Amino acid sequence: QKEVEQDPGPLSVPEGAIVSLNCTYSNSAFQYFMWYRQYSRKGPELLMYTYSSGNKEDGRFTAQVDKSSKYISLFIRDSQPSDSATYLCASTSGGGNKLTFGTGTQLKVEL
Amino acid sequence: GAVVSQHPSRVICKSGTSVKIECRSLDFQATTMFWYRQFPKKSLMLMATSNEGSKATYEQGVEKDKFLINHASLTLSTLTVTSAHPEDSSFYICSARAGDIDGYTFGSGTRLTVV
Repeated sequence: QKEVEQDPGPLSVPEGAIVSLNCTYSNSAFQYFMWYRQYSRKGPELLMYTYSSGNKEDGRFTAQVDKSSKYISLFIRDSQPSDSATYLCASTSGGGNKLTFGTGTQLKVEL
Repeated sequence: GAVVSQHPSRVICKSGTSVKIECRSLDFQATTMFWYRQFPKKSLMLMATSNEGSKATYEQGVEKDKFLINHASLTLSTLTVTSAHPEDSSFYICSARAGDIDGYTFGSGTRLTVV
């Protein structure tokens, strides 16, 4: 079993839709949870990170972590074509330890 | 914000030659740097973790003699692919960490093609 599982998609939505991206994890030591966006042939760009359980909002993006169910979510409101990219969830126990990534979900927002 | 510069962005080399990829933290000191490999439509696979001034820690299955990592300063780490073969063709990405969670910043990646 992979430590972080993520549906690879692809996911296609119309412009303006609410997008829900999800991951599950198995390592109870994970304390920090991140979402990265990666455009084709580019390095990942940090979108949001959350410590422990809870919600965090930044503009059109909301990250949720439920440690009781080991479930990580990213919501994108009013999706735009420019949001088309691969979204990777990642977790770490902190303390300089490595990030463990999900496989990434490919999102396409269509006009 | 933190910026990591990675060069070259693209390189084509002949089989049997060596290629060096540089990763620099431009506006912060990176205590730890990570090197990843990514296959098309796949996630990032961690190859090794390096701390400044010490030997890199390689992930299981990664040949340390083939993928040489040097982290000689707090702003520079290099990955050298030695005696490259076509199966080494891939997208290589570095990440640098300044000391807090926000510091996991990625370079723009290097596409290596071995012909």
